[in-house]
Amino acid sequence: DAGVTQSPTHLIKTRGQQVTLRCSPKSGHDTVSWYQQALGQGPQFIFQYYEEEERQRGNFPDRFSGHQFPNYSSELNVNALLLGDSALYLCASSSSQGYAEKLFFGSGTQLSVL
Amino acid sequence: AQSVAQPEDQVNVAEGNPLTVKCTYSVSGNPYLFWYVQYPNRGLQFLLKYITGDNLVKGSYGFEAEFNKSQTSFHLKKPSALVSDSALYFCAVRSLSSASKIIFGSGTRLSIRP
Repeated sequence: DAGVTQSPTHLIKTRGQQVTLRCSPKSGHDTVSWYQQALGQGPQFIFQYYEEEERQRGNFPDRFSGHQFPNYSSELNVNALLLGDSALYLCASSSSQGYAEKLFFGSGTQLSVL
Repeated sequence: AQSVAQPEDQVNVAEGNPLTVKCTYSVSGNPYLFWYVQYPNRGLQFLLKYITGDNLVKGSYGFEAEFNKSQTSFHLKKPSALVSDSALYFCAVRSLSSASKIIFGSGTRLSIRP
């Protein structure tokens, strides 16, 4: 049973470019959350997708957008990249069944903006 | 707004000694509390959670955490540390009113010396 998979593992972009990160949730999970983890910091909540809609959003600008597909996989898009967007981007999946479900994390995509 | 605080950036313990990693929380309503661990170049892994019931919860790898409502704390503990416990530990909180968002602390680096 595959866990949460993210691609690519590493990415180098320049300022102003756009990037798309991808995530496949753990089998049986229908909810995907995205987090940004800057070096030496805790993960910061970007947004969560459920039933192909953004359910909740953290304090991130509109340059950050996402999508969830019918198979529950998800994409994170960042437009007009800034140097400060350099970070590890983590995808986490969970099940909407029950409550206080734990998150299963992928290994992340390390984004470097030059 | 909900938040967690981890007052120690780093905790150093000798192998075989007990360890404690501190966490305090702020949330409206009853909290759901979590501990996650992050090894180098990896995503976060779930250790344990508190929802309700016994204030002492047991988790993976011999870790346990004590919920203290009066002190709004949820400290992570282990009776006897192993060198392999060296990693980055994150406390996290979710409130019933914010169904989908889990907020992480800034992390505590645990270093176990042989």
